[in-house]
Amino acid sequence: AIQMTQSPSSLSASVGDRVTITCRASQGIKNDLGWYQQKPGKAPQLLIYAASTLHGGVPSRFSGSGSGTDFTLTISSLQPEDFATYYCLHDNNYPLAFGGGTKVEIK
Amino acid sequence: EVQLVESGGALVQPGGSLRLSCVASGFTFSDYFMDWVRQAPGKGLEWVGRVRKKANSYTTEYAASVKGRFTISRDDSKNSLYLQMNSLRIEDTAVYYCARVRSTDGSDWLDPWGQGTLVTVSS
Repeated sequence: AIQMTQSPSSLSASVGDRVTITCRASQGIKNDLGWYQQKPGKAPQLLIYAASTLHGGVPSRFSGSGSGTDFTLTISSLQPEDFATYYCLHDNNYPLAFGGGTKVEIK
Repeated sequence: EVQLVESGGALVQPGGSLRLSCVASGFTFSDYFMDWVRQAPGKGLEWVGRVRKKANSYTTEYAASVKGRFTISRDDSKNSLYLQMNSLRIEDTAVYYCARVRSTDGSDWLDPWGQGTLVTVSS
């Protein structure tokens, strides 16, 4: 089974900061990766699919890149509503697998 | 509005069974694959499994942790997805989410998700 290693597990940042989160797959997954945001007590929401395609309605400050084994989620200018936990999910083959999550906290 | 609503979560003893339901609205349910994802208290997300649509013979896929104990099914006439959970273990305690699977050019993604239903396995 493909494993997803996400880093960092948590980070502290200020409003306006540029934030980068990475996911590494244990083997190549082409661009079969999505990014999800989860706020406390809420269901996850899709941000990006196919590694770099922004889901409709998601602010353009979010972007995704990568292919093969290494992927990045970037928030270009962190906003107050972006403080949340972020997960990557590969869909290359079965079983699908999430990364461990990155909690973005206020500095 | 596209919406998924889960129900059926409860407190159940180890070794017991439970069936979760997810009712879909706002889209043609029968056209989509559907997934279950769970989240143990204070932990990350774990993919549970998938059921394909009728054109794909309603075939299923499961995570190793639930294979042989959990069964995913659907009733397109009721716009409903189900998760039958047997031989429940304490480590199955989690919020269970259903999610619609969307696809393009070989890539899948989950959108939207339901609000989740809590399953607690405890004696």
